[in-house]
This record gives sequence, C-alpha cells and structure tokens, in this order.
Amino acid sequence: QKEVEQNSGPLSVPEGAIASLNCTYSDRGSQSFFWYRQYSGKSPELIMFIYSNGDKEDGRFTAQLNKASQYVSLLIRDSQPSDSATYLCAVNAPWGAGGTSYGKLTFGQGTILTVHP
Amino acid sequence: NAGVTQTPKFQVLKTGQSMTLQCAQDMNHNSMYWYRQDPGMGLRLIYYSASEGTTDKGEVPNGYNVSRLNKREFSLRLESAAPSQTSVYFCASSERADDTGELFFGEGSRLTVL
Repeated sequence: QKEVEQNSGPLSVPEGAIASLNCTYSDRGSQSFFWYRQYSGKSPELIMFIYSNGDKEDGRFTAQLNKASQYVSLLIRDSQPSDSATYLCAVNAPWGAGGTSYGKLTFGQGTILTVHP
Repeated sequence: NAGVTQTPKFQVLKTGQSMTLQCAQDMNHNSMYWYRQDPGMGLRLIYYSASEGTTDKGEVPNGYNVSRLNKREFSLRLESAAPSQTSVYFCASSERADDTGELFFGEGSRLTVL
C-alpha cells in the first residue's frame, strides 16, 4: 500500500463547479498535510497546508483533514480554467530511526484536474 | 529574485556515463532536497540535507550521491547512469530543519539515459 494515495484521475469539471480532490495516508504519526499545485512542465508550488482536524479555508480553496480516518481533501470552489493542473497531496511522514521529520514530505501520485469552459 | 536554481535543465546521457546536477538557493534556507518525478509516481525523495554539513538518504537513494557544498549549494551525482534514472529531477529548499512542508522548488532538470 502506498503511503500517500490520491483519487485516480484525471478529474474533469465544468467552469464554476466545485472540484473535490482526495488523499489518504497510511502513517498515523503524520502531523502536517499539504497540497501542492503543479502546472504542466512546471515545478510544484504550495497552495494549502493543514495541521488540525477540520476545515481550513483560503479564498476559493478549502482543505479538510480527518486524522481518525487518515483522510485529507482539497475543495476548489468556483473552479476556473486556470485551476487546470496536477494537484499533489503531501504528508509529513517520519523517516528513519526516531521518526524525525525535518520537513521530509511523502507525496501522492497526483491528480490531474481539468476545468473546461 | 532567483529562488532555487538548477542546472542543467536538460541532459541526455548514455548508460554508464556520469554527471552532476547542480542546485543553488539564495533564500538562506537551511534544508535542501533532491526529488525525482516519474509519471504516475508523484515526487520521491532521493537525498536531503537538513543543514549545512549533513546529508541523509531518502526513499530512493540507490545510484546517487550528494554533496552539500555550503549552505547555498546541494549537488546530485549519478556515477554510472542507468535507463531507470530517466526522470525529471527537482531540487527544493526549506527554511528550517523542522516540521515544515513549505518547499520551494527549482524548475527541474529533465534527464534521459539511453
């Protein structure tokens, strides 16, 4: 089982709809959770992070975390064609002896989102 | 405002050749990382350096070596390239060697091994 798994894509939504991206993780010791956006041929960029159970909103983006279910999601409201990209879920999973984190992220495989006009 | 700079951006190697990917950051970050990205696999950590003078293995270190030359620079070396190392390589940095996920990525280096 992959440590971080995202819902299989690609995901296609019409402009103005809500896009829902999902991610599950296997390590219960994970403490912080991130969503990165990657446009085709570009490098990833951070768009949201969440540490506590519940919802966190930033503009049109809402991250949701449920540690009991080991589940994190990203909702994009009023989706725009410019939101078309690959979305990467990343989890801070302890590495090596002692489980020290040092910002070592484990990434999911990514979900390709297309927003069509 | 350069951020994280990687060179070269593209490289074609023959099996068995060696090469070094260079990375430099100008944000005074303590931690630096090398990831590879393959289709359907997301980003996988090769090596990281929590602080100047330290390096450690990530998820897929075999076939690679790294050097943290100073606080700014972190290089990745392929001693004997194999076709399985065909990938896009990203260098990244973060401000602190603690539980932070805000990585700043370079533009990537696309490597093809024939």
